[in-house]
Amino acid sequence: QQQVKQSPQSLIVQKGGISIINCAYENTAFDYFPWYQQFPGKGPALLIAIRPDVSEKKEGRFTISFNKSAKQFSLHIMDSQPGDSATYFCAALDNTNAGKSTFGDGTTLTVKP
Amino acid sequence: DVKVTQSSRYLVKRTGEKVFLECVQDMDHENMFWYRQDPGLGLRLIYFSYDVKMKEKGDIPEGYSVSREKKERFSLILESASTNQTSMYLCASSPTGLDFATQYFGPGTRLTVL
Repeated sequence: QQQVKQSPQSLIVQKGGISIINCAYENTAFDYFPWYQQFPGKGPALLIAIRPDVSEKKEGRFTISFNKSAKQFSLHIMDSQPGDSATYFCAALDNTNAGKSTFGDGTTLTVKP
Repeated sequence: DVKVTQSSRYLVKRTGEKVFLECVQDMDHENMFWYRQDPGLGLRLIYFSYDVKMKEKGDIPEGYSVSREKKERFSLILESASTNQTSMYLCASSPTGLDFATQYFGPGTRLTVL
C-alpha cells in the first residue's frame, strides 16, 4: 500500500520555466511534509518542508503548496535552472512515530539550457 | 555541518555472503534509518532506531537485521546476501525535538550481489 503517490515520474523543463511536482497522501495522521533533492552520487538533502497549518511556504525559487482537504501537496520551482536538474522526493511523516518518513517514488527533473 | 558517513561507496559480494554496511553520524542524533533506493520505487525504509540498542522494523525488513551498540553508529546486516538485494543503500539520521523530522542522509552504498 503506497501511502504517498508522486507524479510525474520524470519531467523536462526549459531553462526559466516552472517545474511542478505533485504528491498525494492517504494517512491523515501525517503532519509534516518535506521535499528532498538528490543529485547523482549523493544522498538526498532537505530542500523545503511544510506543516499542515499553512497552505504555502516559499524559500527563494522553491514553493510548497499544501491542500489539506484534498490531501495533496506540490513543489513549484520557479525560473528553473540547469543546476536544478536532480531527483526530487516528497515525503510525509507522523511526528508521533519517531521521525519515520514515507517517501514518494521520486521525480527526475531535467532542465534544458 | 551534519555529517553522515557510510563505510563503502561501492561493494560487490557473492550470493550467500554475510554483508555489513556501516553508518556513522557526528551530530549526536537519536534517530537513525536504513533505506534502500531502487529506480522507480523511491526510498523504502528497512529498519530504524530511535535509541541505542533499540530498533524497529520498517516496510521491508525481510532478509536484513541491524545493530546499534553506540549512539553514533548504525549497522545494516545482510545475513545471507541474495541477488535481489542488489541496490543502493542509504543511511540517515535525525534529531529529536522540534526539528526532528529533518533527515540527514549519507552518500549511499551501491551494493551488487553476484
